Amino acid sequence: AQSVSQHNHHVILSEAASLELGCNYSYGGTVNLFWYVQYPGQHLQLLLKYFSGDPLVKGIKGFEAEFIKSKFSFNLRKPSVQWSDTAEYFCAVPMKTSYDKVIFGPGTSLSVIP
Amino acid sequence: DGGITQSPKYLFRKEGQNVTLSCEQNLNHDAMYWYRQDPGQGLRLIYYSQIVNDFQKGDIAEGYSVSREKKESFPLTVTSAQKNPTAFYLCASSMYRTYGYTFGSGTRLTVV
Repeated sequence: AQSVSQHNHHVILSEAASLELGCNYSYGGTVNLFWYVQYPGQHLQLLLKYFSGDPLVKGIKGFEAEFIKSKFSFNLRKPSVQWSDTAEYFCAVPMKTSYDKVIFGPGTSLSVIP
Repeated sequence: DGGITQSPKYLFRKEGQNVTLSCEQNLNHDAMYWYRQDPGQGLRLIYYSQIVNDFQKGDIAEGYSVSREKKESFPLTVTSAQKNPTAFYLCASSMYRTYGYTFGSGTRLTVV
């Protein structure tokens, strides 16, 4: 079965530290990839997405992600985190057999300490 | 402003009672979805609908039912057959075959 894994359940960083959250998906071929973010008390919102082309994707609030096809990975990065980046982050992939169904990873909770 | 409205935000029910969660969107999106969010498990798909009067089961549909009589509305009923109904429920929508969901703010259901 298709799956999405996220390496870290909970990450704690100090402000200005660099961030990398891992995401791996289980199948090859054409793939679209997403990162969603859920700030405390707010809606889930789309952070960035990869459809095709440049494997380095830039999103909102200084986030970026790199699609590495050979590693089935789509890691999320930010060079310098802020306290306001404290949130839950979800990697997501549409199902290969039904593009309208999206599989979400288990999420990574990021806490940034001022 | 366009968006998805879920109501109520918090819901308490006694065990054995059915309960219906509301989801309304004014984005003119074709597809709508219900997810359940539990700590450490991410979001799991309950049901989804690509067009009016049609819907498909997701990965954890047992104990749930839905209807899609209008494009704007996709209510979810949590029945007494759902063994662990206490959870955070999220509704989402998207344009058919384009990607990126818009999410509602969620309903936290507690069954006592």
